[in-house]
Amino acid sequence: AQTVTQSQPEMSVQEAETVTLSCTYDTSENNYYLFWYKQPPSRQMILVIRQEAYKQQNATENRFSVNFQKAAKSFSLKISDSQLGDTAMYFCAFREYGNKLVFGAGTILRVKS
Amino acid sequence: GAGVSQTPSNKVTEKGKYVELRCDPISGHTALYWYRQSLGQGPEFLIYFQGTGAADDSGLPNDRFFAVRPEGSVSTLKIQRTERGDSAVYLCASSLTAGGGGNTDTQYFGPGTRLTVL
Repeated sequence: AQTVTQSQPEMSVQEAETVTLSCTYDTSENNYYLFWYKQPPSRQMILVIRQEAYKQQNATENRFSVNFQKAAKSFSLKISDSQLGDTAMYFCAFREYGNKLVFGAGTILRVKS
Repeated sequence: GAGVSQTPSNKVTEKGKYVELRCDPISGHTALYWYRQSLGQGPEFLIYFQGTGAADDSGLPNDRFFAVRPEGSVSTLKIQRTERGDSAVYLCASSLTAGGGGNTDTQYFGPGTRLTVL
């Protein structure tokens, strides 16, 4: 079975600084998709960024970027210029051939002013 | 609607009762998913619909759980003889298509229903 591991239960960062959230996964497949979702206290899961495994270029979305290391099965999220609104639970998720997402346990990110 | 909606927002019930949780997907989305999120954990897959049919129900924990999507739009998750261990947030998501790559299979989530079984 596929597994997703987020080794950092909690992280803190000062406003305007950069923070990196870690994620590793386990699969025997070559084609798959990786995602980072943000879940604020409102419970709404919001897609932050998506990466296709066949693409070598790391995905970026404004202040959010990933470091995708396929051989190491690592998929970290970098948040630049952190803002107070970035405070949330962040989930790494994996999807291969089927359609179900497999989520990690999450990392609570607190942005401090 | 603009996004996935779920009703009720919160549901409190007693052990042994029957509950129904409703999900309205984004208009035009053919695929619909249910996940369960226990406190302090990531969501876990329950079932996925393509149109009206359940394409993958491998995540349903037992036969007390059942879901339908009779017209290919709104879905209802039904839980019989609720147990305290069923207490969780039930999340619904939808995507324009299912599989095939590209961005059309990206899942968009609703705000969830928090179920509390006393």
